[in-house]
Amino acid sequence: NAGVTQTPKFRVLKTGQSMTLLCAQDMNHEYMYWYRQDPGMGLRLIHYSVGEGTTAKGEVPDGYNVSRLKKQNFLLGLESAAPSQTSVYFCASTPGPLNEQFFGPGTRLTVL
Amino acid sequence: RKEVEQDPGPFNVPEGATVAFNCTYSNSASQSFFWYRQDCRKEPKLLMSVYSSGNEDGRFTAQLNRASQYISLLIRDSKLSDSATYLCVVIRMDSSYKLIFGSGTRLLVRP
Repeated sequence: NAGVTQTPKFRVLKTGQSMTLLCAQDMNHEYMYWYRQDPGMGLRLIHYSVGEGTTAKGEVPDGYNVSRLKKQNFLLGLESAAPSQTSVYFCASTPGPLNEQFFGPGTRLTVL
Repeated sequence: RKEVEQDPGPFNVPEGATVAFNCTYSNSASQSFFWYRQDCRKEPKLLMSVYSSGNEDGRFTAQLNRASQYISLLIRDSKLSDSATYLCVVIRMDSSYKLIFGSGTRLLVRP
């Protein structure tokens, strides 16, 4: 039982490049989330999904897109990376909206 | 004003000390509350859920004060291994779904 996994663990991009971060969970959770965490700040919600085929905007959605084609996977896309998107990205899942969240190990992204 | 606020610290305490953190929230419709622990450069991990009646898990006690709109975390007999950042999470579902992390309180336990 792997829980929540994220790939890649590290990535360096140049400004304007695109990439996709993959989050996978094997707990059959309905809800999945993408956060970013910057130094000295808490986690800020980018997008979330309440089930397969659904997505919704969080607090800081601009510059990101997401897709949830399969229940176990939640993809975060950066179409044209900017230095302001340098951050640590965490994915999480939960069985319901008010339940505890289970986090992946994070992806450290640097945009030059 | 942020919807969820925490004192960033750091709280620097000796081993064996008792330390308490608060987390205030501004929306009275908030329904669900948690404390997470985050070690440097690692993912947050659940420490405790916070219930209206208060709850205890070993050296850790969490309480919710709805009237004053804050949650608290008390750590007794601090260990070196308790050094970490403690994040509170506040969730509500009314006209929209809002899940907000506090920015964290850093705890340093010294020998």
